[in-house]
Amino acid sequence: DILMTQSPLSLPVTPGEPASISCRSSQSLLAGNGNTYLDWYLQKPGQSPQLLIYFVSNRTSGVPDRFSGSGSGTDFTLKITRVEAEDVGFYYCMQGLQAPGTFGQGTKLEIK
Amino acid sequence: EVKLLESGGDLEQPGGSLRLSCAASGFIFSTYAMGWVRQVPGKGLEWVSVISGGGDATYYADSVKGRFTTSRDNSKNTLFLQMNSLTVDDTAIYYCAKRIFGAAVPGQFDYWGPGTLVTVSS
Repeated sequence: DILMTQSPLSLPVTPGEPASISCRSSQSLLAGNGNTYLDWYLQKPGQSPQLLIYFVSNRTSGVPDRFSGSGSGTDFTLKITRVEAEDVGFYYCMQGLQAPGTFGQGTKLEIK
Repeated sequence: EVKLLESGGDLEQPGGSLRLSCAASGFIFSTYAMGWVRQVPGKGLEWVSVISGGGDATYYADSVKGRFTTSRDNSKNTLFLQMNSLTVDDTAIYYCAKRIFGAAVPGQFDYWGPGTLVTVSS
């Protein structure tokens, strides 16, 4: 199975400041079709997870453009340009290259 | 509007069985792959399974392989998870999720249900 490792696991951020979460996979997530199967999800308190970004950098509909994803191969980053109070929750990276799918441990973003 | 609603979660004894359902609406159900993800309350997400839009391909986590079966009834827009030989480690909230595309690939789940709680305990 592909191991996903996130850092940091806890991220206190002042509103208006940027934030960055790293995710590393144990093997390349680049598929033969040219897509890299790395997603980012946010689970807000008391809610189901929501897909923020898929294929490394594609934001889903309705996701603010202050969220961006980057990376390649085995190293990926989720960046928030200016954190807002509504961004609190757990952020998970996930690989969808091969079954079984695997999630990172989760990063708890909280407001200072 | 896309909606997913799980049902069937309950308290079950170790060794028992449960069948979860996920009623879908607001999209052409047969076009999209669907999956199950579970979460022990207060813990992280664990991927469980995925099924293709046509139902002809399924994949499972090692922890449930041989015990859980994912299926779908495209005529009723419903996804199922048959859970057999339950253990205490299967206690979790089970979410059904819709994939962006139709192939049975583990990720890119763009819509999620609210979840249903399965508790396995004697």
